[in-house]
Amino acid sequence: SQQGEEDPQALSIQEGENATMNCSYKTSINNLQWYRQNSGRGLVHLILIRSNEREKHSGRLRVTLDTSKKSSSLLITASRAADTASYFCATRTGANNLFFGTGTRLTVIP
Amino acid sequence: NAGVTQTPKFRVLKTGQSMTLLCAQDMNHEYMYWYRQDPGMGLRLIHYSVGEGTTAKGEVPDGYNVSRLKKQNFLLGLESAAPSQTSVYFCASRRNEKLFFGSGTQLSVL
Repeated sequence: SQQGEEDPQALSIQEGENATMNCSYKTSINNLQWYRQNSGRGLVHLILIRSNEREKHSGRLRVTLDTSKKSSSLLITASRAADTASYFCATRTGANNLFFGTGTRLTVIP
Repeated sequence: NAGVTQTPKFRVLKTGQSMTLLCAQDMNHEYMYWYRQDPGMGLRLIHYSVGEGTTAKGEVPDGYNVSRLKKQNFLLGLESAAPSQTSVYFCASRRNEKLFFGSGTQLSVL
C-alpha cells in the first residue's frame, strides 16, 4: 500500500504564478522528500524535510510539514515553463524503503 | 561521472520470455533499489540491496529476482515475463537520504 498521496492530481498555471501541491501520508515518518520527474526521465531529488522540522526553503521551493495532520505541501514560487513536470512526495518510515505517492502533474503555461 | 545508468532503455518481450535489466552506478553507493512505475500508481519498490552480496524484497517482489554480485551493479531479472509486468522500471542508488535515479527502462510484455 502506498504511503503518500498528492493533491491535486493535475495543476495548470500561468508562468509567474505560484504552484502549491499537497501530500498526505498515513503513518509516522522519519522524513519526507519531494522529487520531480520530467516526461520520460528518472526522478530528481528536490528537497528533504525531517519529522522535527516544520518548514524548509531551497531557492524557489518552500516545503512545509505538519506531522499532526500527516501532511506536507510544496510551494513553487514564480513558476517557469521549465517547472512543467510531475512532482512526487516520498516518505521514509523505516531504514530502507521510501514510499512514493502517485504524483501531481504540473503544467506551466508560458 | 555518469551517475546511475540503466540498460536497455526499451524492450519488448513475449509472454514467458526472460530478460535481465542492468543497473550500474559509479558513485560508490551502498544502497540500490529497483522500482516500477505504472500510470496512477506512483513508484512501487520491487527489491533493494543494502550492500554487495545482499538483497531484500520490497512491496511487489513476485515474478522478479535480483542480484548484487558487485557493489556498482544491481540486476533485475524476469524469469517468465507476464503482461502484468509491462511497466517502466527505475533503478536508484542512495546517498544519505537522497535517491539518485536512472533514466528508466520501458518494458512491454505482449
